[in-house]
Parts: sequence; structure tokens; C-alpha cells
Amino acid sequence: GEDVEQSLFLSVREGDSSVINCTYTDSSSTYLYWYKQEPGAGLQLLTYIFSNMDMKQDQRLTVLLNKKDKHLSLRIADTQTGDSAIYFCALLRVADKLIFGTGTRLQVFP
Amino acid sequence: DAGVTQSPTHLIKTRGQQVTLRCSPKSGHDTVSWYQQALGQGPQFIFQYYEEEERQRGNFPDRFSGHQFPNYSSELNVNALLLGDSALYLCASSLAGVRVEQFFGPGTRLTVL
Repeated sequence: GEDVEQSLFLSVREGDSSVINCTYTDSSSTYLYWYKQEPGAGLQLLTYIFSNMDMKQDQRLTVLLNKKDKHLSLRIADTQTGDSAIYFCALLRVADKLIFGTGTRLQVFP
Repeated sequence: DAGVTQSPTHLIKTRGQQVTLRCSPKSGHDTVSWYQQALGQGPQFIFQYYEEEERQRGNFPDRFSGHQFPNYSSELNVNALLLGDSALYLCASSLAGVRVEQFFGPGTRLTVL
């Protein structure tokens, strides 16, 4: 199957770090992604990682990939209220089909 | 540089009707994929178009069909609408051969009454 699972909700204080987790069952994906969706909007591509990498850092974002455990995480440093949104992990499958997780709603409070 | 655009923004239809949604890909992109996002869920792949042909299809009935035009824009058609077709329909564009990045449009919110 192509199961991609995420926890539903995460609440953090402004200025703290956020860690959003994703687990998957199919290990054949070449690329793994993180998308952000604000209320009523489309998906914004945040970052992605190639399957032969363990970590990728892009400004406040750090992606960690543990292929053995089939676990992907997104760390947001110095979380701001503008980071409040739903975050989706996604896996690239054959012929560029993206398989999405269920989404994690991040709430940032002052 | 224009990003992915979709029209209309919102649409209300009744059961049994037909609907057409439109997507213009990001400048320079030639591949368009369509996704359905039901409320509270992640997007589900419908199908993908490249060189005016459907390359791959997800688990959606034949009521869902599409088209890609020579300028790479695309349409999604849904016939015999059901209440369960109510969702946000997202279009993503990418460039063949460099398919790592897929960029999404703002979506069309379809409500079926």
C-alpha cells in the first residue's frame, strides 16, 4: 500500500522549535516533500529531500529522513505565528504521482 | 513570472450536473496533474497530462476526465456530479525531465448540493 501517516495536531509557543513527523510504508520513493497549506489556500512547496540523503537544511527548516524506520520529519526553528497552517508530507511515486499524508495542523500561540 | 493559476475560485453545482475546471501551469512547465482534496484530508491524485495525453490515472471513476491543450493548460471535467465530489480541486504543474518540484495552484472549491 501507499500509507503516509502524520499526527493530526501540534501546538507550540512562538519562538520554540516545531517538529512535525511523518511515517510511510513504501520505501521506493525517490523524493519526499513538505508542503504548507494555509486556510482556504493551495499548497506551498516548502522543501524536499532526495531519498539518498539523511538531512537537508533550508533557513529555518530542517528535514530529517530515516530510511530504515521510514520516518520523515520537518523541524521549524524559531516558530512564528505566520507558521500556523496545515503541513503535509508527500512522497513522489512512479510517473510523478504524489502521495500525501493526512496533514498536521500546527498552531502557534504567543 | 506567473505561478499556477486556476479558475474559477469557487463553484456551486447540483447533483447530476457537469463541471469544467481550468488550470494554467507555471511558465515553462509542460506537465499538469490534478488532485482532489476533501475536507480534512490530504490531496488525492486524479490524473496527469503531458504532451496532451493522460499519462497516469489515480483511483477515480470515468466521470472524471481531462484534457491538455497545446499551450499546456488543462481542464478537468466531472460528469454526473455526486455530493461526494464536493472538494477542493488542485492543479499542480511541473517540467518533464525535471519533475522534482511540483507547484500547486490556489485550487477551485466545488460544492455539490
